[in-house]
Amino acid sequence: GAVVSQHPSRVICKSGTSVKIECRSLDFQATTMFWYRQFPKKSLMLMATSNEGSKATYEQGVEKDKFLINHASLTLSTLTVTSAHPEDSSFYICSARGLAGDWSYNEQFFGPGTRLTVL
Amino acid sequence: ILNVEQSPQSLHVQEGDSTNFTCSFPSSNFYALHWYRWETAKSPEALFVMTLNGDEKKKGRISATLNTKEGYSYLYIKGSQPEDSATYLCAKTQGGSEKLVFGKGTKLTVNP
Repeated sequence: GAVVSQHPSRVICKSGTSVKIECRSLDFQATTMFWYRQFPKKSLMLMATSNEGSKATYEQGVEKDKFLINHASLTLSTLTVTSAHPEDSSFYICSARGLAGDWSYNEQFFGPGTRLTVL
Repeated sequence: ILNVEQSPQSLHVQEGDSTNFTCSFPSSNFYALHWYRWETAKSPEALFVMTLNGDEKKKGRISATLNTKEGYSYLYIKGSQPEDSATYLCAKTQGGSEKLVFGKGTKLTVNP
């Protein structure tokens, strides 16, 4: 149980285009989803936290107008990188957490990630 | 310690060797310490969640200990196998926060 999928696994796009990444919880209802990114030789850094049906909470330094997050259902969250530029090239990975009480201590289940390359 | 630090950055061992690596973290406002195992092209897999000082957890050949007062956790692998090759991540959560703060990971390569 607790499987999270992410699509696409890899995307290459031109500068100025928008890219949408999907994160799905396959066998549980994810009340909260998290989006992280990882630059080379750096740690996974939280970008934003989204609760189903409400606006995402962004970490300091993450532009909410550039990284649009939609968590419209209990199994799907999307991250759209708008007007992508080469500096947005990174590894983006989502995680999901179920209903409170299903798992303790903020246990999160991760997708396999998306490698974004902006030319 | 201001951030979550992991050492070593990478490690090469021979099949059958036992090994261990370290996660250091700020001891203030501690809630939980998580260990994940991350194989290339796969999802990070949760290994352990530890909350209490002195906690020890075990899963097969892998075990972990926790010292919340001094801010460190050790992960041990007994009799390493090639399939143990992966990056091992630790992450801390603080009281009142859902946020996982990760270290950079330790990349383990087990040579047959």
